[in-house]
Amino acid sequence: NAGVTQTPKFRVLKTGQSMTLLCAQDMNHEYMYWYRQDPGMGLRLIHYSVGEGTTAKGEVPDGYNVSRLKKQNFLLGLESAAPSQTSVYFCASSYGGGFENTEAFFGQGTRLTVV
Amino acid sequence: SQQGEEDPQALSIQEGENATMNCSYKTSINNLQWYRQNSGRGLVHLILIRSNEREKHSGRLRVTLDTSKKSSSLLITASRAADTASYFCATAYNDMRFGAGTRLTVKP
Repeated sequence: NAGVTQTPKFRVLKTGQSMTLLCAQDMNHEYMYWYRQDPGMGLRLIHYSVGEGTTAKGEVPDGYNVSRLKKQNFLLGLESAAPSQTSVYFCASSYGGGFENTEAFFGQGTRLTVV
Repeated sequence: SQQGEEDPQALSIQEGENATMNCSYKTSINNLQWYRQNSGRGLVHLILIRSNEREKHSGRLRVTLDTSKKSSSLLITASRAADTASYFCATAYNDMRFGAGTRLTVKP
């Protein structure tokens, strides 16, 4: 049982390049989240999904897109990377959400540097 | 802006002492959760308290919730050096949002 797996773990991009971060969970969770963590800022919610085929914006969605074509996968895309997107990205999943919100399980993070 | 705000930002104590961290939030919640993060690693869930609960215990952890004041506290009793980590509160409603965290250092 792998839990939540993020790919890749590290990446360096040049300004303007694009990339996709993959999050995969094997717990049959409905809810999935993408966060970014910057020094002193804690975690900020980028986008989230309440089930297969759904996505919703979080606190800081600009510059990112997401897709949830399969229940177990949640993809985060950067179409044109900017230095301000240098951060550590965390994916999380939970069985329930909303009123039935339950504990979230986190991946180990992707450290992205945009130069 | 972030939903939760932890206080203090940093806390340094001796092994065996108790550590108290506070979280204030701004809007309605279904539940509030506390997580721990060791340096550079993913977050690990510690405890969840629902909006209709006032206090919850788990081992050396005690969490309180006051929805009228929109605040919560996490107490770690008899702290150990291994408790050194960052602690975050997360508020859950339609989504789940985190505060900036409290950095706890427990000196042996």
